[in-house]
Amino acid sequence: KQEVTQIPAALSVPEGENLVLNCSFTDSAIYNLQWFRQDPGKGLTSLLLIQSSQREQTSGRLNASLDKSSGRSTLYIAASQPGDSATYLCAVSPMDTGRRALTFGSGTRLQVQP
Amino acid sequence: DVKVTQSSRYLVKRTGEKVFLECVQDMDHENMFWYRQDPGLGLRLIYFSYDVKMKEKGDIPEGYSVSREKKERFSLILESASTNQTSMYLCASSSTLAGEGDNEQFFGPGTRLTVL
Repeated sequence: KQEVTQIPAALSVPEGENLVLNCSFTDSAIYNLQWFRQDPGKGLTSLLLIQSSQREQTSGRLNASLDKSSGRSTLYIAASQPGDSATYLCAVSPMDTGRRALTFGSGTRLQVQP
Repeated sequence: DVKVTQSSRYLVKRTGEKVFLECVQDMDHENMFWYRQDPGLGLRLIYFSYDVKMKEKGDIPEGYSVSREKKERFSLILESASTNQTSMYLCASSSTLAGEGDNEQFFGPGTRLTVL
């Protein structure tokens, strides 16, 4: 059964720092990996989607990498801002197209101090 | 933009009541999902549907049922609500059709259900 782990569970940084969030998964047979952002009490906002054949994706100050063989992904946030404060979740979709649901990590709670 | 809407943001029900949570998406996605999110347990899949009238159990289907009569609408039903079903419920949709979708999942705003 796929398991997804995110480290650290919580992170507090001063504004302007570059930071890396980590995600690991136990079964490398994935279709894709998705990073989400969740604000308190809200739904999930999709940030980046990386297909299993890709190595990285970029959107603005965000860059996500994928090393499928080692079961790892990282989300890099450049020049962090207080508005980046949220919980960041990674999730993987199985290769088996008969089951398209995501398996989620438990998230990293990020606080960016002004 | 993909839009997934859920019928209520907050809901308070009594134990034993029948509860309906509605989800609608406007992107003609064939896949729809219901998850629940609890502190310390993360997001867990309750049910999903890959076509009209088709459904499959997720990891925690006990105490729930679903209905998908139209492609854009996916309903979660709590037949007899219990206090341990107090949770945040999140609906999502995606497409995996060849050449049209890559299973990127889009989520609704969530429904915070409290069962007293």
